[in-house]
Amino acid sequence: EAGVAQSPRYKIIEKRQSVAFWCNPISGHATLYWYQQILGQGPKLLIQFQNNGVVDDSQLPKDRFSAERLKGVDSTLKIQPAKLEDSAVYLCASSFGVSYNEQFFGPGTRLTVL
Amino acid sequence: DAKTTQPPSMDCAEGRAANLPCNHSTISGNEYVYWYRQIHSQGPQYIIHGLKNNETNEMASLIITEDRKSSTLILPHATLRDTAVYYCIVRGRGTNTGNQFYFGTGTSLTVIP
Repeated sequence: EAGVAQSPRYKIIEKRQSVAFWCNPISGHATLYWYQQILGQGPKLLIQFQNNGVVDDSQLPKDRFSAERLKGVDSTLKIQPAKLEDSAVYLCASSFGVSYNEQFFGPGTRLTVL
Repeated sequence: DAKTTQPPSMDCAEGRAANLPCNHSTISGNEYVYWYRQIHSQGPQYIIHGLKNNETNEMASLIITEDRKSSTLILPHATLRDTAVYYCIVRGRGTNTGNQFYFGTGTSLTVIP
């Protein structure tokens, strides 16, 4: 079974530029999550989708971050414009449903903002 | 915010049992205890979860105290590949927005040859 795919794996941009990350969850998983992990900290949930609807985006900085999950499969997370403090690893995860115990994580995208 | 407290780091000799403690004194009756681990440069990986009974699977055992205010994850025979950050998470089930996984900073386990 293929795991959660993410691209790119690494990205370096300058502040005020925009960037987008892509995630393809495990086939059949209805729930998709985006996490931000700053160096030395645990992952922090940014947004959670159930199919193509948003379940929780309370911790998403909506002035610069946006995410979509068209057709309830792939998802894209965008930052526009980026700030230095956005340097982090962005992790995508998926699960069968909101209440399921196990989230499957992708390898993450390491973003460096200069 | 994280509802758990874990030691920041621990060492364990290879082949010995690794016992990772977690305090969750404010856990409520419908909240589960989950354990995930994150090996360097990888995404977190699910290990085990439980409500109030002890649980065991092919990776680990989870011991939850009778009052549910603390738990211990046991890796029975630690190997070098078990070196990782281990996260203890308390979470309710259901579709409420409060049922997020709060990872905290975890315990960095180093298995020593």
